[in-house]
Amino acid sequence: GAVVSQHPSRVICKSGTSVKIECRSLDFQATTMFWYRQFPKQSLMLMATSNEGSKATYEQGVEKDKFLINHASLTLSTLTVTSAHPEDSSFYICSARVRDRVNYGYTFGSGTRLTVV
Amino acid sequence: AQSVTQLGSHVSVSEGALVLLRCNYSSSVPPYLFWYVQYPNQGLQLLLKYTSAATLVKGINGFEAEFKKSETSFHLTKPSAHMSDAAEYFCAVSRSGGGADGLTFGKGTHLIIQP
Repeated sequence: GAVVSQHPSRVICKSGTSVKIECRSLDFQATTMFWYRQFPKQSLMLMATSNEGSKATYEQGVEKDKFLINHASLTLSTLTVTSAHPEDSSFYICSARVRDRVNYGYTFGSGTRLTVV
Repeated sequence: AQSVTQLGSHVSVSEGALVLLRCNYSSSVPPYLFWYVQYPNQGLQLLLKYTSAATLVKGINGFEAEFKKSETSFHLTKPSAHMSDAAEYFCAVSRSGGGADGLTFGKGTHLIIQP
């Protein structure tokens, strides 16, 4: 089945630095990738949608200059948290849209726990 | 806009008992509905999905859900709970018709299995 590999699984960084999170589709081409954020014991909130070769579309309230998304190839999408601050600490999950014969589905990465100190 | 309400942030059942996790949705278009399970510090695993075919959907690990349009519900059930079912469960609805634009999630239900 469709597998998305997300790395790193955990990262600790100092305040003011940048962190890059990668999501790779291993056995399929991911034309569309979604990035979600999950605060402790809360639900997933969609941050942005990226389509291969075009600019990402950000949800209202998400700073596009802080959360840089690149989807330069059909198998790799990256999220870079720039000038990270403690309030950016969260669990970030990517999700690739997949299509079977008639419908859409979604496969998720294993998530990245970001801690900014 | 589409939305999902999961009734009960925590549900506790005894091992071997029926599991019932409730999900109600609101959608302006024919919905695609999903149930996912999440274990601590992990991503989401698809349990099952409804995409306008059969209203009773069978998923993995013995779970099933029934789409009831009149009640705008998509409750998740399992006849007999197992200790390994303890996890966080999320109900989700497609953000647009056809299911192409990502998902809106409910707040999740933490399932506790009592021995």
